[in-house]
Amino acid sequence: DGGITQSPKYLFRKEGQNVTLSCEQNLNHDAMYWYRQDPGQGLRLIYYSQIVNDFQKGDIAEGYSVSREKKESFPLTVTSAQKNPTAFYLCASSTPRGDFSNQPQHFGDGTRLSIL
Amino acid sequence: AQKITQTQPGMFVQEKEAVTLDCTYDTSDPSYGLFWYKQPSSGEMIFLIYQGSYDQQNATEGRYSLNFQKARKSANLVISASQLGDSAMYFCAFPQAGGYNKLIFGAGTRLAVHP
Repeated sequence: DGGITQSPKYLFRKEGQNVTLSCEQNLNHDAMYWYRQDPGQGLRLIYYSQIVNDFQKGDIAEGYSVSREKKESFPLTVTSAQKNPTAFYLCASSTPRGDFSNQPQHFGDGTRLSIL
Repeated sequence: AQKITQTQPGMFVQEKEAVTLDCTYDTSDPSYGLFWYKQPSSGEMIFLIYQGSYDQQNATEGRYSLNFQKARKSANLVISASQLGDSAMYFCAFPQAGGYNKLIFGAGTRLAVHP
């Protein structure tokens, strides 16, 4: 079945450590997104990418980095500069790219990141 | 600035009854769409229903329907014949200005269905 796979499901970060969250999709979608969700809150956009080798900052990009070397993959690195990384991270994909779209975003199952 | 508001932090409903979850939004875009998602306790986001601003009729998908009032900028989700499995967080969302389908999410409403 087509879908989005996020790994790991749970991740723990030590002080000063960078960690990378994996997101892979086999839906052949052009666009991919990373969101952060804090307890009891909605999702906030970290980064998004419309095509391979291109990505843009979202609303809360500070302390995060991404790459988009393949259409299927959009890994997120939480750097040591992100001082409050504890949250639930969700990856999504959609098609088509461009302006206002009626296509829903499809989400992975998420990664829960905590500080040790 | 674009904004989306869900004013009900929590709602409860008896099994088999209908419930309405509120969502209001603020945008100056003439054309837009609104999405509703369900998030069970396991965490995944499940797409439920979509409403386009120029759609002539309110959207329906099985037990889900939207009460879309464009002039009031509201898009309330109606769940009919509630089931225990409907207990979850519900989020409304719409695309940010500037394209690329970047979504703005509301804070969500936690629905509890009681037997």
